[in-house]
Amino acid sequence: DAKTTQPPSMDCAEGRAANLPCNHSTISGNEYVYWYRQIHSQGPQYIIHGLKNNETNEMASLIITEDRKSSTLILPHATLRDTAVYYCIANNNNDMRFGAGTRLTVKP
Amino acid sequence: NAGVMQNPRHLVRRRGQEARLRCSPMKGHSHVYWYRQLPEEGLKFMVYLQKENIIDESGMPKERFSAEFPKEGPSILRIQQVVRGDSAAYFCASSPRTGTNTEAFFGQGTRLTVV
Repeated sequence: DAKTTQPPSMDCAEGRAANLPCNHSTISGNEYVYWYRQIHSQGPQYIIHGLKNNETNEMASLIITEDRKSSTLILPHATLRDTAVYYCIANNNNDMRFGAGTRLTVKP
Repeated sequence: NAGVMQNPRHLVRRRGQEARLRCSPMKGHSHVYWYRQLPEEGLKFMVYLQKENIIDESGMPKERFSAEFPKEGPSILRIQQVVRGDSAAYFCASSPRTGTNTEAFFGQGTRLTVV
């Protein structure tokens, strides 16, 4: 897995968009960018993944820069239940290595 | 389609006993991954298995830990002669195949407490 760098923590107001950045400057051509989150001590939850095109699903949007060296996960309307640790992983074979992630706190 | 099932959810063992953690992957998934999460720490990869094969065990401690994924039945993570430092949450994940463009889905974990 390519190394990823994320801010350790972020705050977001409830109802606003949460934009979580991730740097992966050494990503290789066949590595996808995956995002997972872990709410409290539950099992990690898959959010979204992409290669080079922007992706959107019912949970979030993923914006990947043209050079693929960074990406942003967007939660369009954050709720209190989105408070979690968010992990960005660059990977091509699924035995994912998790870093420290970003602890997102959504505040009322 | 049931998700990844792990049992037991909570397991208490005395020092020196054996712990067996079970993981049933999602239907149709033949790849299983085990992770350990110590209190207040991140997820650490332990082992990746495909049916009847260990693909990558680079994260497994050299002693006391073993894993299997038989042709029939769940994947088992076995810890022999447990010590207090083994107390952690153990998560497994499954995927239908390996390679690119494949997401993995996680179970809710087994919390092991060694007393």
